[in-house]
Amino acid sequence: DAGVIQSPRHEVTEMGQEVTLRCKPISGHDYLFWYRQTMMRGLELLIYFNNNVPIDDSGMPEDRFSAKMPNASFSTLKIQPSEPRDSAVYFCASSQASVYGELFFGEGSRLTVL
Amino acid sequence: DQQVKQNSPSLSVQEGRISILNCDYTNSMFDYFLWYKKYPAEGPTFLISISSIKDKNEDGRFTVFLNKSAKHLSLHIVPSQPGDSAVYFCAASGEAGNNRKLIWGLGTSLAVNP
Repeated sequence: DAGVIQSPRHEVTEMGQEVTLRCKPISGHDYLFWYRQTMMRGLELLIYFNNNVPIDDSGMPEDRFSAKMPNASFSTLKIQPSEPRDSAVYFCASSQASVYGELFFGEGSRLTVL
Repeated sequence: DQQVKQNSPSLSVQEGRISILNCDYTNSMFDYFLWYKKYPAEGPTFLISISSIKDKNEDGRFTVFLNKSAKHLSLHIVPSQPGDSAVYFCAASGEAGNNRKLIWGLGTSLAVNP
């Protein structure tokens, strides 16, 4: 079975540009999570969805960040405008409702904002 | 303020010996704990979990111990193998309200030497 698929794997952009990260969760999973990983702060939950509905977005750093899940097989995380401090690895993960805590992560999208 | 702390950034162990990775938490409301393993350029993968109603959970070479009074958990790997070399993350959650938010430590990098 295919795992969680993220694109792009690497993105280099200039400050002020819009960045869109994409995620396809594992089919049949009810939950989708967006995480950001930095050296200083580790893994931080940005937002998570249950059945395509955002449940907790308290980790979204500011209005420049937005996430959508238009259907069960696709989600986006958008940063507009991007800033150098947004440089990080962004992970998408999905899980089943019946299995608490066991997340399946994608390989991540490494974002560099110059 | 780190609610989940992994105080050892790195650990080096000889192949065949025991690896012990430690994790401390501050929030007494946490009642579910997980360990994840991460290889470079990959997303974290779930390893083992433990509920606060238990003090030990075992899965093959991996055992997690929980000491609630000390707010401390540890992951034991016996025997350690070179393929275990990875970064190990401790994560915690409170299941009240079916909250799916995990709080993560910064990780411990384990090197198992042949």
